[in-house]
Amino acid sequence: AQSVTQLDSQVPVFEEAPVELRCNYSSSVSVYLFWYVQYPNQGLQLLLKYLSGSTLVKGINGFEAEFNKSQTSFHLRKPSVHISDTAEYFCAVSDTNAGKSTFGDGTTLTVKP
Amino acid sequence: GAVVSQHPSRVICKSGTSVKIECRSLDFQATTMFWYRQFPKQSLMLMATSNEGSKATYEQGVEKDKFLINHASLTLSTLTVTSAHPEDSSFYICSARDSGTGIGYGYTFGSGTRLTVV
Repeated sequence: AQSVTQLDSQVPVFEEAPVELRCNYSSSVSVYLFWYVQYPNQGLQLLLKYLSGSTLVKGINGFEAEFNKSQTSFHLRKPSVHISDTAEYFCAVSDTNAGKSTFGDGTTLTVKP
Repeated sequence: GAVVSQHPSRVICKSGTSVKIECRSLDFQATTMFWYRQFPKQSLMLMATSNEGSKATYEQGVEKDKFLINHASLTLSTLTVTSAHPEDSSFYICSARDSGTGIGYGYTFGSGTRLTVV
């Protein structure tokens, strides 16, 4: 069984400030890790993923995330946010065999001018 | 990149009627599609796994007779909400993975369907 905990339900931040959205996971098997973004009334869009190799992964829109196996974390970061980054962000894990994804509860990022 | 087309984007139906939602993979083959339900301000809850040419696998607590899933081809899966009631009002999202790539390639999501039962 897997679980995902997104530690912050809401993150307000000013434009051009850095941001970190935190994600911890638990699993008894190997997993792949993902971050998705959801804009209002839309589906989810893949931001980035960790499969193996380098623990720092870069994604679209200037986002990056770092996989920390010892802390079972996969935090999402962006050095300078824009108003357009305002959205819901979901962290997810997938069993490398079955492929089903387990999602966190989401973090609402609100970028203020 | 991979695209999943989901229709309709929004539907309002009367209580007791049935509604069909379609999910198509436009430029890839999807042997497996997933159907999720999302309540306002909440995460995605997996309802069922749709397998091409075979019966869907439903998650615990999901009524298979109420939420009928058909995956008749490698590019089309449908979810039919039968005898809909107001409590079925929700945002339904499908996702699919290119069967030609590994699990680690993540999933492509449809744009979602907002169902309102009145």
